[in-house]
Amino acid sequence: DTGVSQDPRHKITKRGQNVTFRCDPISEHNRLYWYRQTLGQGPEFLTYFQNEAQLEKSRLLSDRFSAERPKGSFSTLEIQRTEQGDSAMYLCASSPGRFETQGNTIYFGEGSWLTVV
Amino acid sequence: AQRVTQPEKLLSVFKGAPVELKCNYSYSGSPELFWYVQYSRQRLQLLLRHISRESIKGFTADLNKGETSFHLKKPFAQEEDSAMYYCAHPPNAGGTSYGKLTFGQGTILTVHP
Repeated sequence: DTGVSQDPRHKITKRGQNVTFRCDPISEHNRLYWYRQTLGQGPEFLTYFQNEAQLEKSRLLSDRFSAERPKGSFSTLEIQRTEQGDSAMYLCASSPGRFETQGNTIYFGEGSWLTVV
Repeated sequence: AQRVTQPEKLLSVFKGAPVELKCNYSYSGSPELFWYVQYSRQRLQLLLRHISRESIKGFTADLNKGETSFHLKKPFAQEEDSAMYYCAHPPNAGGTSYGKLTFGQGTILTVHP
């Protein structure tokens, strides 16, 4: 499968612990996005990278959240001191980043489920 | 703030019946709209984009600027169309923020045999 892959697929953690999710985008995709999805809601944008540069962060991304894409390939999303409200599906997506070819078409991973107990 | 509204959380139809999933947007400027679909146990994937004016799996969606709508339609629903459908648009066309999407809450379509 050459799609966007995410790891782990499921994570249960105790409140106050730190968790880290990894995303491997489609090869040669310049842009990488993180979204969060809670039950009954559509995905909500968190942040995105153009290569290794983090170009935009949503106000949803509190200071407990940090995302990196150190070499412009895979990305990590870390949540420190988790809270029960952080329980959600964390979706990663990637796109070629060339508007003239595929525009805003983004390709999603299967997501990482986080449950904070 | 730009919003996408999908007024129906659930929609049930019988196989062979027409189906219409509603999407309304609040957008200033030229909208670029998408329908994404998520089948059971599969990842969220693009169904169609208004800019390409294509029909995918028998679905079409017409942009109506007067009504600010982008409803998804299929004349004869199939059981395999059962899925969650999301309408989405970017905050602005072009620029450095494209690929950032605002999604509606989604509509669960169930097609009964």
